[in-house]
Amino acid sequence: EPEVTQTPSHQVTQMGQEVILRCVPISNHLYFYWYRQILGQKVEFLVSFYNNEISEKSEIFDDQFSVERPDGSNFTLKIRSTKLEDSAMYFCASRIKGNLEAFFGQGTRLTVV
Amino acid sequence: ILNVEQSPQSLHVQEGDSTNFTCSFPSSNFYALHWYRWETAKSPEALFVMTLNGDEKKKGRISATLNTKEGYSYLYIKGSQPEDSATYLCAPTARQLTFGSGTQLTVLP
Repeated sequence: EPEVTQTPSHQVTQMGQEVILRCVPISNHLYFYWYRQILGQKVEFLVSFYNNEISEKSEIFDDQFSVERPDGSNFTLKIRSTKLEDSAMYFCASRIKGNLEAFFGQGTRLTVV
Repeated sequence: ILNVEQSPQSLHVQEGDSTNFTCSFPSSNFYALHWYRWETAKSPEALFVMTLNGDEKKKGRISATLNTKEGYSYLYIKGSQPEDSATYLCAPTARQLTFGSGTQLTVLP
């Protein structure tokens, strides 16, 4: 069964470093999302992406964050200069046009030290 | 961004008990309501997507209802089993999924 895959499963980085979280959405999906969950808190929306551009972003998604679909299969989330408070589980999701059901990856646990 | 409330936050039940939890959301700007089941170390798994007032969906022992006029949805589990232990997330959709904090269910054998 097709699934959304995320790499790495766990990343530890030093504060101030750049990180890139990678996602491979399901191949015929056209809508892509990033969510995050800080330990003990709600799953929060970061950004949605459609037709090679951001369609919506939350206030969390500031200038330190960017997304890209570099090669038609990967969907990446870049954090330019990580802060301690960026430590969270980051989830990628995708869905097909015309179907509301979003499929999630297993997440990348980012730990900023 | 919608304000979503789920209750209870956590729940312990005995195997065989039936249980239910609630998701509340603003009834304006509603588009669809998703329920997800999320086990630790796994990806959230979609259970139901509901769009119409009065919708009822069922998947095995799990069912859900939707009231868009008053802004709530119920999830029911009949005859809970230990493998039902998970966090159940609801997510109303306006322009994107907005998740509640979830109900953490533990089914004790």
